[in-house]
Amino acid sequence: DAGVIQSPRHEVTEMGQEVTLRCKPISGHNSLFWYRQTMMRGLELLIYFNNNVPIDDSGMPEDRFSAKMPNASFSTLKIQPSEPRDSAVYFCASSMTTVTYEQYFGPGTRLTVT
Amino acid sequence: SQKIEQNSEALNIQEGKTATLTCNYTNYSPAYLQWYRQDPGRGPVFLLLIRENEKEKRKERLKVTFDTTLKQSLFHITASQPADSATYLCALEGTGANNLFFGTGTRLTVIP
Repeated sequence: DAGVIQSPRHEVTEMGQEVTLRCKPISGHNSLFWYRQTMMRGLELLIYFNNNVPIDDSGMPEDRFSAKMPNASFSTLKIQPSEPRDSAVYFCASSMTTVTYEQYFGPGTRLTVT
Repeated sequence: SQKIEQNSEALNIQEGKTATLTCNYTNYSPAYLQWYRQDPGRGPVFLLLIRENEKEKRKERLKVTFDTTLKQSLFHITASQPADSATYLCALEGTGANNLFFGTGTRLTVIP
C-alpha cells in the first residue's frame, strides 16, 4: 500500500483565497483524522471521521474551516477565506480502529498564507 | 480539560547511552497511551502502544512504561544511535476513544 496520500505537498496562497487540501487514506481503514501542526501549539486534532461520518469537529478553529469525506477513499479540508494565521502543516491520518488505535500519517501539506 | 506535558523540549545524549523521555498528563485517565517518532518534514510514525493494565512494553531497543497512579509514561531508547535523533511525541486516548491528544514532543539529539 502507498500509505496515506496528501496533496498538495506545499501550498502558497494570498489572504482571502480559498484553499483545499486533499487526503486519500489507506485502503480498508475506517477512521480518518485531520491535524494541524505549528511550533506554538504542536499537533492539534481538527476533526475526525468514522466510516465517512464526522464524529468530532470541536477542534475546527472557525467557520472558515470545513471538512468532508464523500467516500471511504477521499477527504478534503477547506479553508475559506484563508488568513495568515492559518499557516501551518496540515496532516491527514487514518486508522483501522476496529483492530488497533495506531494512526498512520500522511506526509503533510505545508500551507503558507501571505 | 486534559493536559499533556513532555518533560523537555530538547534532549541531547551521547551515543550508546540510554535516552529517557517523560510524558505526564493531568485531569484524565486514558485507557492507552502511544508514542510516535517524527522526523523533520515528515508525518509522525507510530512506535508503541501501551494499555492502562500494562506496566511495561518493549520493542527492540525501545521500552515504554505506564504508571496510571503517577499519570506518567517513560520512553526509553537503549544503546542510542545518531539515527535515533528525531522528535518523539506521546499521545493519549482522546475522549472519543478513537482519537488522540498529542504532547508537544521532545527533540532528541544523539551525539556521535
